[in-house]
Amino acid sequence: EVQLVESGGGLVQPGGSLRLSCAASGFTFSTYWMSWVRQAPGKGLEWVANIKQDGSEKYYVDSVKGRFTISRDNAKNSLYLQMNSLRAEDTAVYYCTRTPDGADYWGQGTLVTVSS
Amino acid sequence: QAVLTQPSSLSASPGASASLTCTLRSGINVGTYRIYWYQQKPGSPPQYLLRYKSDSDKQQGSGVPSRFSGFKDASANAGILLISGLQSEDEADYYCMIWHSSAWVFGGGTKLTVL
Repeated sequence: EVQLVESGGGLVQPGGSLRLSCAASGFTFSTYWMSWVRQAPGKGLEWVANIKQDGSEKYYVDSVKGRFTISRDNAKNSLYLQMNSLRAEDTAVYYCTRTPDGADYWGQGTLVTVSS
Repeated sequence: QAVLTQPSSLSASPGASASLTCTLRSGINVGTYRIYWYQQKPGSPPQYLLRYKSDSDKQQGSGVPSRFSGFKDASANAGILLISGLQSEDEADYYCMIWHSSAWVFGGGTKLTVL
C-alpha cells in the first residue's frame, strides 16, 4: 500500500524557516517524480515544486522561487521542502504527492502557519 | 486570465448527470494536453479520479467507478468531467490540472452540490 506521511509543519514567524519531510513507503520511491502541493485555508490547490527521480531536475511555482528548495534522499525514501523567508501567504496545508503522470497518491498533509 | 478556469459551483440532483468543465486559456489548445481530475472532500486530501487526453490516451484512477469519465469539448477549448448516476457521496470539490510551461497548474475548483 502506497503511503506518504508528511511532518515538520507548525507555527513560524514571518521571515522564518521550516523544513517539511515526507516519508514514503509501499512503492519504489527512487523511480518516481515527487511533488509538493499546498492549499491555503478555504482555498484551492496550488502546486509548489517537483523533483525528478534522481534529483537532477527541479521545478518551482514562481511565488516560491529563491525561497523554497525541494530535495530528496532515495536511500531514506524521503522527500523534503526547505522553506525560507516565509510569508503570511505561505500559510497552507502542504501535501506530498507522487507524480509520475499527474498526482496519483497524496499524503494527509501538514499545516504551516506563518504568523507573528 | 487564469490558465484553467472552472465554475465555482454546480448543483445537480441524485441520479442525474453532472458535467464539470475546465476551460483552458485562449491560446492554449486543449487537444495537446492530458487533463487530470481530482475529488476533495472536507478535511481530506484530494483523490485522483482520472486522466483524459483522448479516447486512446486516458486512465481511470485505481478503484474509481466508471460513472466518472473524462471528455473534451474542442469547440469550447475545455476538458469535461462527467459524473453519471449522481450519489450524495459525490458532493465534493473537484479540481482539474495540466502540465503547462514546466509547471503543474490547477483550476480553481468546482464545488458540486448533490440535492
